[in-house]
Amino acid sequence: QVQLQESGPGLVKPSETLSLTCTVSDGAISGNYWSWIRRPPGKGLEWIGYIYYSGSTVYNPSLKSRVTISVDASKNQFSLKLSSVTAADTAVYYCAKGGEGFDYWGQGTLVTVSS
Amino acid sequence: SYELTQPPSVSVSPGQTARITCSGDALPNQYAYWYQQKPAQAPVLLVSKGNERPSGIPARFSGSRSGTTVTLTISGVQAEDEADYYCQSADSSGVYSLFGGGTKLTVL
Repeated sequence: QVQLQESGPGLVKPSETLSLTCTVSDGAISGNYWSWIRRPPGKGLEWIGYIYYSGSTVYNPSLKSRVTISVDASKNQFSLKLSSVTAADTAVYYCAKGGEGFDYWGQGTLVTVSS
Repeated sequence: SYELTQPPSVSVSPGQTARITCSGDALPNQYAYWYQQKPAQAPVLLVSKGNERPSGIPARFSGSRSGTTVTLTISGVQAEDEADYYCQSADSSGVYSLFGGGTKLTVL
């Protein structure tokens, strides 16, 4: 059973950078794809992007200019950075296992963008 | 831009069959996945690659495809099935993932 846990600030100021980390249960990072997905209040799920354990990435074209996903396999972690945030980036952010088809998810963390 | 289209809501009585559709031009060539999300919980994968059920998912959940439409069928709906349901697939290039807008299932 793969376990994932998001961590990071719950409040980010407009124009700043949102940073989240996902910690994966031991040994699970290698050989897999890892994704970030969000759900804004009152809206549906939005795929942000994924990273392969080796470091290659694919981002949602609508967010590509602001997104960076990285991986630290030695720490069993992968991370999300979203720059120049606005209120529209307020959402519950999930990390998940998979690049297409997400079979394990973190519990999610609410990030609010507000001054 | 490419979209997956779901009905916003579906209502069904307990014991009946619910069918939730998802339409997209690339669906004949891309795998489809279905998720259930209940309030304050993370989504759960119900159906993988069109019609495969992960371990632990009840047999009353099934997936199918006809042309550019995929369907999640819930047989013998139970009160606990009331939730939001999302389809997910890739665009025609197979590179970018996307979700449908979601369907709220109400059990009357």
